[in-house]
Amino acid sequence: EVQLVESGGGLIQPGGSLRLSCAASGFTVSSNYMSWVRQAPGKGLEWVSAIYSGGSTYYADSVKGRFTISRDNSKNTLYLQMNSLRAEDTAVYYCARGHGNILRFDYWGQGTLVTVSS
Amino acid sequence: DIQMTQSPSSLSASVGDRVTITCRASQSISTYLNWYQQNPGKAPNLLISAASSLQSGVPSRFSGSGSGTDFTLTISSLQPEDFATYYCQQSYTTVSITFGQGTRLEIK
Repeated sequence: EVQLVESGGGLIQPGGSLRLSCAASGFTVSSNYMSWVRQAPGKGLEWVSAIYSGGSTYYADSVKGRFTISRDNSKNTLYLQMNSLRAEDTAVYYCARGHGNILRFDYWGQGTLVTVSS
Repeated sequence: DIQMTQSPSSLSASVGDRVTITCRASQSISTYLNWYQQNPGKAPNLLISAASSLQSGVPSRFSGSGSGTDFTLTISSLQPEDFATYYCQQSYTTVSITFGQGTRLEIK
């Protein structure tokens, strides 16, 4: 059974750093396109970052230069390192698996809440 | 970036109604279009991929159509569990995925 479990969220002051984790089971993270998608309170879905199976990484303009996506193949885990956090980064962060020739997010984690506030 | 625009932003309907949600892309995306359903406090759930391919386990009252820039999600006969928020998402450019702003479907 495919499962994604995020952790690492919490309350952090503006300018601070946080690392989110997404532990996967039932499939191999390194063989798939993996993404982080966030949702600010009461708002819609926003794609944040992706890592391809080959290792290439991409970011939304809103987080470029501040966030870093990575993975640990030995732990089958996806990460999102978030630096220089701003109030507007407050959101539930989901990890999701992208799959298929026409990429679709077929599995999602339960989400982890990041609150940036002083 | 490819912009995705959904309409309407919210919709009130009754059980048994037929409803249609529209998604328009700012450029042609062929059929690189997916639809998700999200209930409050839950992760999104994939309903339809590649514009019209119903995912396993999704009721047949859901259907999708379209190609190029204009797409629709139709629910043929609303059930109580269908009242949720729906999002379209383009994967024509996987280096910059974009979602529509969402359509909130409410009970009339």
